Amino acid sequence: NAGVTQTPKFRVLKTGQSMTLLCAQDMNHEYMYWYRQDPGMGLRLIHYSVGEGTTAKGEVPDGYNVSRLKKQNFLLGLESAAPSQTSVYFCASSPGQAQYSNQPQHFGDGTRLSIL
Amino acid sequence: KQEVTQIPAALSVPEGENLVLNCSFTDSAIYNLQWFRQDPGKGLTSLLLIQSSQREQTSGRLNASLDKSSGRSTLYIAASQPGDSATYLCAVLNTGNQFYFGTGTSLTVIP
Repeated sequence: NAGVTQTPKFRVLKTGQSMTLLCAQDMNHEYMYWYRQDPGMGLRLIHYSVGEGTTAKGEVPDGYNVSRLKKQNFLLGLESAAPSQTSVYFCASSPGQAQYSNQPQHFGDGTRLSIL
Repeated sequence: KQEVTQIPAALSVPEGENLVLNCSFTDSAIYNLQWFRQDPGKGLTSLLLIQSSQREQTSGRLNASLDKSSGRSTLYIAASQPGDSATYLCAVLNTGNQFYFGTGTSLTVIP
């Protein structure tokens, strides 16, 4: 009954370091999303995927890369971390095309990332 | 670009009171609107989803309405309880297939 699992839950990086955030879902959902949540700004979409092997840019994609090699996993990479990327990152998944679905997005518990 | 606004940013009410949270959006070309609950340090939990062709949805003590033409939605919580204390977020799905979130209303229900 895991739903959406994010790894790690917390991480502190130095400027310029790289890292990968992992999102795994066990609901066989087609669509997966990466958001960042910052105080006073709400959640903003970074990248999303409409199926295995596909990715697309969201509202704030710069400085991030993603990959969806397996249907159940969606990876978010920071190649050279910057202090502006300090945030809480949320992964979400949904069964299919959102506009035709009554099924809402399912969210993970987030990854709290600090860049020093 | 879609802008989603939630008013008030924070709300404190005594237990048992009925309350209304507001959400407004600037672009009425949406597929659906969702209300979420977020507890501290946790992810978002979906409460209600209203398709663009619907006017309202109900789940237990929660009722959400949608007036797409005026760009407004309300979340009504009846007989509030301390366990309802959380941040409530609304999000709209644009016809560009991207979700846009409000900044949330932080609700505290005082026992």
